Order: sequence, then C-alpha cells, then structure tokens
Amino acid sequence: AQSVTQLGSHVSVSEGALVLLRCNYSSSVPPYLFWYVQYPNQGLQLLLKYTTGATLVKGINGFEAEFKKSETSFHLTKPSAHMSDAAEYFCAVSVSNSGYALNFGKGTSLLVTP
Amino acid sequence: DTEVTQTPKHLVMGMTNKKSLKCEQHMGHRAMYWYKQKAKKPPELMFVYSYEKLSINESVPSRFSPECPNSSLLNLHLHALQPEDSALYLCASSQIPTQAIGYTFGSGTRLTVV
Repeated sequence: AQSVTQLGSHVSVSEGALVLLRCNYSSSVPPYLFWYVQYPNQGLQLLLKYTTGATLVKGINGFEAEFKKSETSFHLTKPSAHMSDAAEYFCAVSVSNSGYALNFGKGTSLLVTP
Repeated sequence: DTEVTQTPKHLVMGMTNKKSLKCEQHMGHRAMYWYKQKAKKPPELMFVYSYEKLSINESVPSRFSPECPNSSLLNLHLHALQPEDSALYLCASSQIPTQAIGYTFGSGTRLTVV
C-alpha cells in the first residue's frame, strides 16, 4: 500500500530563510503526491500536487516541490519564509486500493520566527 | 462552482442525540470521501463512495452511518456518539474514482460530543 513519511514533526525557520519540509513516499506504482497546508482551526488547502509529467511542481504562495523517483522523495520548499507560512503541513499520497483516497503523513508544524 | 460545501461548520451534541453532517459538491465529481481529523493529527479515512455506492468502510463504528442520496450529496448520520468522537470531520470529492484528479476538500465540521 502507498504511504508517506514526513521527516521532522516540527521545523523552525527565520523569516526570510529557506523553508524545506521533507516527505518520502513508498509506492509500488507511480504515485500521485500532494502537499496540503492547514492553518489553526481551518480545513485543508492544497499547495501543490504531482501526478505525471514535469517533476518540478510549482504551487501557491511561492511553494514548490520536486518529485525524485530515485530518492522516493517529494520535498516541499520555499525560498523565503514569511510569518504567514506558519502552519501545519501534510504530505499525502493517493492510495489505489482505497478508491484513491489520500493517505497522509503525520504532518510537520512550521514555525517562523522574526 | 469549484467548492465542497460542508454544513454545519460547528456542532455540539450530547451522547444520546442524533445529528447529521452534510457535504455538497456541484463539480460533477463521482467519488466522495469522509475523513476524521483529531487535534494535532493527520486526517484519517472513514468512508469512500464511488458512483454513489459505498466502496470503502475503514472499520468505522456503526454509530457513524454514511449516506449518498445522489451524486452531489454526501451525508454522515451520527447517533450515540462518544466524547472521543469529537474531531474535525472533513468531506472531499474527486473527479473519478479511479484517479485522484481534482481532489477537493471542504472546510470541515468541527464536532464536539458532550
């Protein structure tokens, strides 16, 4: 079954610094991969997704992620952190034998300091 | 319309009450999902509907009863819930059940069981 692992439950960066949130996947078939952001007391917002085609995926709010099959990774990056980026970030993979429901990683809480 | 609409946004219910959560989409999506999210945890899949038929039930207790009356609506009927069922309940839809295309989440219903 497809799954994802997020490395680091908490990441702290300074405002203006590079944001790097790590996600590795496990899948025996080509995966569909997603990054979602969740602000406190809100629902999930899609940042970006990889299905097929270009391996560098650009999303909203300046985020991007690169699908690396050789490393089974889909890390999320942003060149310059903003205070408003502080939130919970979830990596997810669609699971083919569960009606393509999403299987989420445990999440990474991003803290941005002034 | 590119949204999944969930009502109510907040719900407080006693352990003997019967209530229903509603989810609606008008994007023509034929797969719909219920997820449960506890605080500081990732969403967990509860049910999958594919072409209005229940295709996945992740061993959810019978006090949760899903219903899909038509291709645009998904309900979750609640009865005799326990305090530990307090959580954010998220609905999602996807364009077709065989691929994670156009995956869209609603903003959720925050349920408190007292």
